[in-house]
Amino acid sequence: AQKITQTQPGMFVQEKEAVTLDCTYDTSDPSYGLFWYKQPSSGEMIFLIYQGSYDQQNATEGRYSLNFQKARKSANLVISASQLGDSAMYFCAMKKYTGNQFYFGTGTSLTVIP
Amino acid sequence: DARVTQTPRHKVTEMGQEVTMRCQPILGHNTVFWYRQTMMQGLELLAYFRNRAPLDDSGMPKDRFSAEMPDATLATLKIQPSEPRDSAVYFCASGLVRPAENIQYFGAGTRLSVL
Repeated sequence: AQKITQTQPGMFVQEKEAVTLDCTYDTSDPSYGLFWYKQPSSGEMIFLIYQGSYDQQNATEGRYSLNFQKARKSANLVISASQLGDSAMYFCAMKKYTGNQFYFGTGTSLTVIP
Repeated sequence: DARVTQTPRHKVTEMGQEVTMRCQPILGHNTVFWYRQTMMQGLELLAYFRNRAPLDDSGMPKDRFSAEMPDATLATLKIQPSEPRDSAVYFCASGLVRPAENIQYFGAGTRLSVL
């Protein structure tokens, strides 16, 4: 069963604008973590941001913020003031506190237009 | 600047040959993961080590793949014999086991092409 769903295969955003990348997840476990990774064309996977299921506030890391809506089981990534270097694939992932498995979504390709 | 180091970055080989990929996890990390990424399947977990012990290799084809951690600074993934369907990018990731926040840090990957 699909644990992580990213419904946007591709997204475009104008430089300096904000963009939201969607992610929904499926788990009945109350304890889990949510992650976003960036994969530029060079291929490496870069950790961006983490949100724990018990965290009261949405996580923020510089221009990245995670819009965590626990009841809706969504963990959308918001990138503010987009830059050309933000063009990449973005993967949402989830891991339960118990167990070893990370569940990755299929990714969203973001293109920032000058 | 701590990072996961993977070698080689690229590997082209012929079907039937042995392939060995190496990974140096971040110093102090006690978990290591091997993933395979393809366009069709996305990211697949192949193996997982904690404190050098293999805990999960259910995602790995056992007949041809093997993963080991001879010491805390080296993890290896071997394919013998290699097949064209093994062509993919192989990622190693390391992290710390914690009740929460098990962030994985990925290496740059090994791009394998089996002809």
